[in-house]
Amino acid sequence: EPEVTQTPSHQVTQMGQEVILRCVPISNHLYFYWYRQILGQKVEFLVSFYNNEISEKSEIFDDQFSVERPDGSNFTLKIRSTKLEDSAMYFCASGHRFATNEKLFFGSGTQLSVL
Amino acid sequence: DQQVKQNSPSLSVQEGRISILNCDYTNSMFDYFLWYKKYPAEGPTFLISISSIKDKNEDGRFTVFLNKSAKHLSLHIVPSQPGDSAVYFCAASEAGNQFYFGTGTSLTVIP
Repeated sequence: EPEVTQTPSHQVTQMGQEVILRCVPISNHLYFYWYRQILGQKVEFLVSFYNNEISEKSEIFDDQFSVERPDGSNFTLKIRSTKLEDSAMYFCASGHRFATNEKLFFGSGTQLSVL
Repeated sequence: DQQVKQNSPSLSVQEGRISILNCDYTNSMFDYFLWYKKYPAEGPTFLISISSIKDKNEDGRFTVFLNKSAKHLSLHIVPSQPGDSAVYFCAASEAGNQFYFGTGTSLTVIP
């Protein structure tokens, strides 16, 4: 069964450093998402991406965050200057179409720890 | 704002019995609801869904019930198995837009 893959599984960084989280969505999917889950809290939407542009973003997704689909397979989330509160599990997800009955497929996540 | 709420952070059930996980939502415009299951160190995996035109959807041991007037949905697992032990998230969306997730309920099925 096709799956969404994320690398690395764990990322440790110093506060103020830039990090790039990588995702390879399912190959025929067109819609891509980043979610995150701070330990003990809910899974939060960050951003959705379609046709090489952001289609929706949350308040969390401020100027420190950016997404990119640099080639036909990768989907990246960049945090320019990490803060302690960015420590979380970041999940990439993809979907085949933008429809009411669409379900998302999630990757296994990248645990980001900002020290 | 917490548009989707799972008020029980944990639940323990004996193997073979029914597990009932509950979820409440505040946005009456939500029209699609899903349950995801998450094991430690893994991403959420889709379990079952229901659209707002239905009040019940069944898939094997898993049944989701939707009560639109109460803005409440529940997931029933019958019979519960030890392998069902995981964190269960409910999620809701409106017209195919972003999904809002609850905080999750950790289910432990005791052999």
